[in-house]
Amino acid sequence: GAGVSQSPRYKVAKRGQDVALRCDPISGHVSLFWYQQALGQGPEFLTYFQNEAQLDKSGLPSDRFFAERPEGSVSTLKIQRTQQEDSAVYLCASSLARGGRGNQPQHFGDGTRLSIL
Amino acid sequence: GQQVMQIPQYQHVQEGEDFTTYCNSSTTLSNIQWYKQRPGGHPVFLIQLVKSGEVKKQKRLTFQFGEAKKNSSLHITATQTTDVGTYFCAGLPIKAGANNLFFGTGTRLTVIP
Repeated sequence: GAGVSQSPRYKVAKRGQDVALRCDPISGHVSLFWYQQALGQGPEFLTYFQNEAQLDKSGLPSDRFFAERPEGSVSTLKIQRTQQEDSAVYLCASSLARGGRGNQPQHFGDGTRLSIL
Repeated sequence: GQQVMQIPQYQHVQEGEDFTTYCNSSTTLSNIQWYKQRPGGHPVFLIQLVKSGEVKKQKRLTFQFGEAKKNSSLHITATQTTDVGTYFCAGLPIKAGANNLFFGTGTRLTVIP
């Protein structure tokens, strides 16, 4: 596709359920980032992949959060035993950067709005 | 820890007035990027600044990177209703192994026709 695609656009889950959010980056983009954006705030970094390698997961808030990109393209962010504070928009971004540094424009998807009841 | 602050948080202007948002980092940056997010949309890349003291222009938008590479500004001349949205700066810390951008708190611009 022409841009970064995320699904689902909206997800409502009950507290304690597991959720999986999908990101399909722009074809050929090496770098993939996940962000969490709370209402009225800027995106906060969660994790970064270069191809299939997860090079930085320092932003993941707890061990309930897990991300993977097994074939270096599509990525999945999984949240286990969801809690109300996990409610946010989860944004995925990709870039061409091959050097592993955030010095390339990032192309964002429309995000998944997660609501935990 | 790394922090990137922006002021003001909100700005309401009459169409045709100018607008400026300021971005300040607690640490020195390798580069800074600016993004625009329309209501209900996703951040869209505007520009990247790399050099100390760099100034770049895009039509009515002027971007500056401070001499110390810790602050930046975005100035919009003669705002239009299409400028409505939240403007974020995002900085890459100048340290070995830094991969991720730190986004600012954003400035939400409202343009009154």
